[in-house]
Amino acid sequence: GENVEQHPSTLSVQEGDSAVIKCTYSDSASNYFPWYKQELGKRPQLIIDIRSNVGEKKDQRIAVTLNKTAKHFSLHITETQPEDSAVYFCAASMWGGKLIFGQGTELSVKP
Amino acid sequence: GAVVSQHPSRVICKSGTSVKIECRSLDFQATTMFWYRQFPKKSLMLMATSNEGSKATYEQGVEKDKFLINHASLTLSTLTVTSAHPEDSSFYICSARDGLGGAVNYGYTFGSGTRLTVV
Repeated sequence: GENVEQHPSTLSVQEGDSAVIKCTYSDSASNYFPWYKQELGKRPQLIIDIRSNVGEKKDQRIAVTLNKTAKHFSLHITETQPEDSAVYFCAASMWGGKLIFGQGTELSVKP
Repeated sequence: GAVVSQHPSRVICKSGTSVKIECRSLDFQATTMFWYRQFPKKSLMLMATSNEGSKATYEQGVEKDKFLINHASLTLSTLTVTSAHPEDSSFYICSARDGLGGAVNYGYTFGSGTRLTVV
C-alpha cells in the first residue's frame, strides 16, 4: 500500500523567513496530494493541494511542487508569520481512495 | 461547501463499555467514509474505509470486532468502540470524499473529531 514519508518532523524559522516541508510517496499511481494544517484538537484544514497533472501550484504565500518521477512533493511557505505556527501534514491518495498521511511537521515561527 | 458533522466532540466512558461516534454528511452523499485515529503529537492513522451498504475494509492491525463500523446510508457512518479500554483513548476523526468537483476535482472533508477518554 501507499506510504508517505515527511521531513522534517520539527522546523523553526524566524518571522519573515521561508519554510519548506518535503514528502515522498511510494505508490506511483497516487494522483492527489493535499497539504493540511492542524491545530491542537481540531480537524485538519486543507491549505493547498495538487493533482498529478500539474507540477506546481501557488496560492499567495503558499506553494506546492510535485515531482512525479522522483515521487516527492514539497510545501513552500514564504514570508512566514507567527500565526503559521502549527502542525502540517502532507497526504496522498489515488483516485479518491484512502488518504494516507505523512508523519507531520511541527512548524514554529519565532517573532 | 461540503460539511461533515461528527458527534460527540468529547466523551468519557468507563472501561468495558461501548461508545458510538457518528459522522453525518450534511450537504452531499458520502458513499465512502474513512475513519482515522490520532494519538497526541502523532499523525492520522487510517483505521478503516466504510462504503455505504457494504462491510468496512480495515487496515492491517485494526481489530474489526473492536471497532465496529456501520455505513447504513449515504449520509451516515458510525464507529463503535466496543469494550473500551484506556489504551483506546485517542482522537477519532472521520473523512469523506466529497466529490463536489466531480470525478476529477474531488476533495476530502473532515469531521471535527471526537476526543475519547476511557477511565
